Parts: sequence; C-alpha cells; structure tokens
Amino acid sequence: GEDVEQSLFLSVREGDSSVINCTYTDSSSTYLYWYKQEPGAGLQLLTYIFSNMDMKQDQRLTVLLNKKDKHLSLRIADTQTGDSAIYFCAESPMDSSYKLIFGSGTRLLVRP
Amino acid sequence: DAGVIQSPRHEVTEMGQEVTLRCKPISGHDYLFWYRQTMMRGLELLIYFNNNVPIDDSGMPEDRFSAKMPNASFSTLKIQPSEPRDSAVYFCASSPRWAGAYNEQFFGPGTRLTVL
Repeated sequence: GEDVEQSLFLSVREGDSSVINCTYTDSSSTYLYWYKQEPGAGLQLLTYIFSNMDMKQDQRLTVLLNKKDKHLSLRIADTQTGDSAIYFCAESPMDSSYKLIFGSGTRLLVRP
Repeated sequence: DAGVIQSPRHEVTEMGQEVTLRCKPISGHDYLFWYRQTMMRGLELLIYFNNNVPIDDSGMPEDRFSAKMPNASFSTLKIQPSEPRDSAVYFCASSPRWAGAYNEQFFGPGTRLTVL
C-alpha cells in the first residue's frame, strides 16, 4: 500500500546539521520530493531527487536516496533558526496519476 | 503570478452550518488538488481535478463534502452540514501538466476552519 513514514519531531542547535529521514513503500516512484511548510503557510517544494540518483546537493541541502531500503533523507547543513518548519517527504508512484503521497511531516525546531 | 489564492483564510462556524471554501489556481495549470491537514491525520488528499473534471474523489470523507470546479480559474469545497471534527486547515494546490513523471504542486496558504 501507499505509506510514507517520517519521525515526528527533531530538535537541533543553530549551526549544527539536521538530518530528516523518510521511508516510502512504492519503488515505482520516479521522483521523490521534500516540501517545507513554514508556520501559517502552505507547503513549498524544497528539493527533489530523481530515482536513478543516489545523492543530490543543493547549497546547504543534501538529499540521499537508498532505493534498496526505500529510504530518503534530507540533510541541512549549518541549520539556521529560519529553517524551523515542518518538512514533508512525498512520492509520486507511477500508477498514481498525478497524486503525491505525503508523509506525516517532521517538525524541525532550531534552538539558538 | 500571485500563486494559488484561497479564501477565506480563517473561518469559524457553528456545527450544522454550511461552509464554502474557495480556490483560484495558478493560471494555466491543468490540475487542482484539495487537501486537509490535521494533527491527528496529517495531510490528506481529498479530491483532485484535471481540466475541471474530478478524477479521484476517494479521499472525500463522506457525503457532507462536495467539490466543484466550474471553470479553469475557480474551485469550491463545500461542507454541509459541518461538524466539529471537520476543523482543520484546508489547502488547495495546483500544478501544470509536467513533461515526464515530475510532479511539483504549488500550494495556497490554506483556510483554517474551526467548527464549534
């Protein structure tokens, strides 16, 4: 079935690295996504990775993909207070016809 | 473009009342999605449209919920009658027809609904 799982909460100190983990179930997903939701706002695409890649780096963000274990992670280097938000991973299975399957979201709290 | 526009941003109503949430997608987008977000259930897809036609409404909780898209620039989500358990943040999102399997969706700011 379709089920994307994430831990609910992560707290880090400003300047440290944050790692948010996600497991997904559908190996047919061609793309996997990370969305960010700031307080009182809608979700916004942060980054994505194509399924034939193991890693993607974009400035302070590093996405790692382990297809064998169906595991996705998002690493934020030098975490800032402005990174405090809820982070959702999402998959788009091939047979889903434009649906995105979202995880439950990980709330990241950055302590000064 | 102003992005996806939702109204109202906040709605407080009493149990049994009809509630209508509105959405204006980004111009030129072919797909429109309605989501509901609660602490208990996370982000749930309620229904989505392609070129104004409902494609999948399997996430609509029950007959009290209905959604329409009369034209490419407007959609409504209606709850009648509303119940306290409908209290949530309702998001509208839209996306173009992307080439290939890429599927980025653009979210509105949401409507926070409170049913007393």
